[in-house]
Amino acid sequence: SAVISQKPSRDICQRGTSLTIQCQVDSQVTMMFWYRQQPGQSLTLIATANQGSEATYESGFVIDKFPISRPNLTFSTLTVSNMSPEDSSIYLCSVDVVSSSYNEQFFGPGTRLTVL
Amino acid sequence: AQTVTQSQPEMSVQEAETVTLSCTYDTSESDYYLFWYKQPPSRQMILVIRQEAYKQQNATENRFSVNFQKAAKSFSLKISDSQLGDAAMYFCATPGGSNYKLTFGKGTLLTVNP
Repeated sequence: SAVISQKPSRDICQRGTSLTIQCQVDSQVTMMFWYRQQPGQSLTLIATANQGSEATYESGFVIDKFPISRPNLTFSTLTVSNMSPEDSSIYLCSVDVVSSSYNEQFFGPGTRLTVL
Repeated sequence: AQTVTQSQPEMSVQEAETVTLSCTYDTSESDYYLFWYKQPPSRQMILVIRQEAYKQQNATENRFSVNFQKAAKSFSLKISDSQLGDAAMYFCATPGGSNYKLTFGKGTLLTVNP
């Protein structure tokens, strides 16, 4: 299993500013994922972050808007840049843990972002 | 590419009764897993149950079980003896691709009535 923490848990930000969200895992993992969950909606994958390489972004998400760092195997950050009210969402990180027979994803508690 | 469809936006059940949440999917993978996740109001996503597609036997975890129909690409979740703590949003999901990214359904909001 994996225990994941995120900081901040919530924030209220002004339009045009940026926020960096931190994700810390209690064990070394290869793959980390960043998801966005808009109010009342399902989870949409933003990007996959592997240590030592550039993040891989999904369609509709770009590095300039959502830069990601992955400096080591237990930590990652997601920055939401030049925010607008449409960026108000819950942002979740997750990690993929490989056991002997299957992969399982564990999720952090999420960061609730409100942009005014 | 993977798609996951949950056709029930909301469901309700009486405490101690049984409820079934529906999920259909499509995947290009030949060997895959299916998951049900629970997201309570506190929003921490918790894995409820997983099913390996190559296994014919339906997975069971205490009061939670699945009805996996591979040919029909159906993966429903049955919750028996429902409890108030089961109230949450339930997501069906399947991974795919070389990086095991999850594709989620839109979710089913389950209400448990006392």
